[in-house]
Amino acid sequence: DAGVIQSPRHEVTEMGQEVTLRCKPISGHNSLFWYRQTMMRGLELLIYFNNNVPIDDSGMPEDRFSAKMPNASFSTLKIQPSEPRDSAVYFCASSTKQETQYFGPGTRLLVL
Amino acid sequence: AQTVTQSQPEMSVQEAETVTLSCTYDTSESDYYLFWYKQPPSRQMILVIRQEAYKQQNATENRFSVNFQKAAKSFSLKISDSQLGDAAMYFCAYLNAGNMLTFGGGTRLMVKP
Repeated sequence: DAGVIQSPRHEVTEMGQEVTLRCKPISGHNSLFWYRQTMMRGLELLIYFNNNVPIDDSGMPEDRFSAKMPNASFSTLKIQPSEPRDSAVYFCASSTKQETQYFGPGTRLLVL
Repeated sequence: AQTVTQSQPEMSVQEAETVTLSCTYDTSESDYYLFWYKQPPSRQMILVIRQEAYKQQNATENRFSVNFQKAAKSFSLKISDSQLGDAAMYFCAYLNAGNMLTFGGGTRLMVKP
């Protein structure tokens, strides 16, 4: 079975540019999570979807960040405009309710 | 809100020896799940082991086992017969009733040949 798929794996962009990260959850999983990992703050939950509906977005840093889940097999995390402090590894994870979360390989974002 | 604490930023172990990584958590919930994830240099987050709070029996997965002490809110990971491939960051994580994970700060495990 395919695991969680994320694209791109690496992204280098300049400050002010729009960045879109993509995620395909494991088929049959109805919960999807976006995390950010930095040296300073560790692993942080940004947003949690259940059945395509955002349940908790309290971890989204500010209005520059937005996330969508138009259907059960696709989600995006968008940063507009990007800033150097957004440089991090962004993970997508999926699960069924109250079960193990399985993580994608991550997207390493560098904003210059 | 729950908190997860890993008090050992770094640990080292000799190949083939046993090492224990510590984790404590704070919660007022009675029903929850606990996990250990491994993150090698590739950055992939890999599930190592999972424990349901309602189960008294400690979970085991091959060379990996946990010591779950619910009253003490402690959840340590024991790695037996350590191998070079076990070198990684290890994260303890708590899953609450709202289906959200909280991670500890991680422990970097080094394995000496």
